Amino acid sequence: GAVVSQHPSWVICKSGTSVKIECRSLDFQATTMFWYRQFPKQSLMLMATSNEGSKATYEQGVEKDKFLINHASLTLSTLTVTSAHPEDSSFYICSAREDRVESYEQYFGPGTRLTVT
Amino acid sequence: GENVEQHPSTLSVQEGDSAVIKCTYSDSASNYFPWYKQELGKGPQLIIDIRSNVGEKKDQRIAVTLNKTAKHFSLHITETQPEDSAVYFCAASRRFQKLVFGTGTRLLVSP
Repeated sequence: GAVVSQHPSWVICKSGTSVKIECRSLDFQATTMFWYRQFPKQSLMLMATSNEGSKATYEQGVEKDKFLINHASLTLSTLTVTSAHPEDSSFYICSAREDRVESYEQYFGPGTRLTVT
Repeated sequence: GENVEQHPSTLSVQEGDSAVIKCTYSDSASNYFPWYKQELGKGPQLIIDIRSNVGEKKDQRIAVTLNKTAKHFSLHITETQPEDSAVYFCAASRRFQKLVFGTGTRLLVSP
């Protein structure tokens, strides 16, 4: 399957600071990228969907000014958590999809564990 | 919108037994049904998927079946091994739409 990478794999930051997470599709062009949040023993919660060069579409209840998403190219998307608070501590996972006619698959990155102290 | 239910929430089997996880979906227009395996601390891994024009798909020990009339699909794992222990998620979507995930099944395979 296709490969999606995330960096960093884990990060600790102080309350009030911002942290950026990178998501890259390594061997395909990601027309659409997704950002998820996952709490322990729970399913994946979609935060936002982005298309290259366009503004992200945020799910209901997700603060777009707090979770800044930039899909800068067909291989890179970034999620910036601004003014982080302890309640933002979570497992953040990106995924990518190449929207070709014969392609349906969506591939996930390895995730980033964020801890806000 | 789409709603996906997944059962059971936990499943314990002995090594070598078969495991079956079932999902139901609500949107009759959904046409893509992937299954993901998530190990602790890792991102979900796509293990098999099926499209609505197919009733069954198999890949070695893993198979997925789809019943469009009843709007349910199932994951079958045969000859389970300890390394199959993980959380499995089903999902459903329309073409080019976002995936809607089930709540997950924790599979434990005991040696």
